[in-house]
Amino acid sequence: AQSVAQPEDQVNVAEGNPLTVKCTYSVSGNPYLFWYVQYPNRGLQFLLKYITGDNLVKGSYGFEAEFNKSQTSFHLKKPSALVSDSALYFCAVRDWRAGNMLTFGGGTRLMVKP
Amino acid sequence: GAGVSQSPSNKVTEKGKDVELRCDPISGHTALYWYRQSLGQGLEFLIYFQGNSAPDKSGLPSDRFSAERTGGSVSTLTIQRTQQEDSAVYLCASTSGGSSGNTIYFGEGSWLTVV
Repeated sequence: AQSVAQPEDQVNVAEGNPLTVKCTYSVSGNPYLFWYVQYPNRGLQFLLKYITGDNLVKGSYGFEAEFNKSQTSFHLKKPSALVSDSALYFCAVRDWRAGNMLTFGGGTRLMVKP
Repeated sequence: GAGVSQSPSNKVTEKGKDVELRCDPISGHTALYWYRQSLGQGLEFLIYFQGNSAPDKSGLPSDRFSAERTGGSVSTLTIQRTQQEDSAVYLCASTSGGSSGNTIYFGEGSWLTVV
């Protein structure tokens, strides 16, 4: 089965500094990778996805992610963090089961401090 | 509608009661998913619908859980004889189906508390 892992439960960063939220994947075949964000008491919001093409994918709110096939990683990045970026971030992969459902990592809580 | 709509947004119920959660997918989306998000358990797939085909129920945790989708659009997730461990956020999602590259969009969730 396809899977993703988020090795960090929490990431702390100061406002204005660059941020990275890590994700590694394990798939058979070509991976279709996604990042979602969940603000407090809200649903999941789509940020960006990698399907094919350029390894650097740009998404909403200034976020980007770099697909690295040799390291099987899809880390989420932002050059300058905002306090309002504080949220729960989920990496996910389309799985061949159940209508190509999303299989999620455990989530990483991002805390941006002023 | 513009997005996936779920109701109720919050539900508090007594142990042993039945609850129904509703999902209205994005117009034109043929694929619909239900997920559960429990504290400390991450996001757990429950059930998948594609058009009028038979659903994939492989993620339902027990026979107390069931779901239907009428007319290929609105879906209802029913939990019978609720237990405290059913307390969670139930998220509905939809996509236009077909390609695995299509984005899956989520609703705001139904927050269920069983007391």
